[in-house]
Amino acid sequence: DSGVTQTPKHLITATGQRVTLRCSPRSGDLSVYWYQQSLDQGLQFLIHYYNGEERAKGNILERFSAQQFPDLHSELNLSSLELGDSALYFCASSSRTSLARNEQFFGPGTRLTVL
Amino acid sequence: AQSVTQPDIHITVSEGASLELRCNYSYGATPYLFWYVQSPGQGLQLLLKYFSGDTLVQGIKGFEAEFKRSQSSFNLRKPSVHWSDAAEYFCAVGGRGGADGLTFGKGTHLIIQP
Repeated sequence: DSGVTQTPKHLITATGQRVTLRCSPRSGDLSVYWYQQSLDQGLQFLIHYYNGEERAKGNILERFSAQQFPDLHSELNLSSLELGDSALYFCASSSRTSLARNEQFFGPGTRLTVL
Repeated sequence: AQSVTQPDIHITVSEGASLELRCNYSYGATPYLFWYVQSPGQGLQLLLKYFSGDTLVQGIKGFEAEFKRSQSSFNLRKPSVHWSDAAEYFCAVGGRGGADGLTFGKGTHLIIQP
């Protein structure tokens, strides 16, 4: 158990809908990363937040957005969902010390199925 | 742009035999390198990491990896595999500061034969 929690574990929804995935980092970690794992694209970095501020964007679609709240939990919002958005979404966290070395601890993931 | 190549999609090894999973990376600066393992339905668990110094690094579960700068490789090894090692293994590269996240390879699926 990495100490990173993600809810829900599974999510099934329809095309065109909007969903919110939630992540709580390890206690004390200021950084939250989001990744998407799909059969086509593999594991891809989406976005990084540090202490409430966006630090970097990866291959994140415009239909997707994220935020990090004052209590450091983060939410990934996916809208206008398409079949191709079906994937496993991971959150990872990093402390100030481990951030310098890019050492990240991953949560169990949320499996999103778009029908 | 940085990239990671894991040339073997699947590897089958007999229980008790040795294992080597290959990883090649492309990165413009000094890389930070990682191996993660993903069991079915599970998240990613960090096996080991290389930042600097000794090029042979030890990880959890008896795994080790060797960084070879001249070959841009970071291969994962284990002297004797156990049935519980069956999983998906991912090599990843990242840079100093951690802003941009990690770049992962496509993964190698390890199958253990009894």
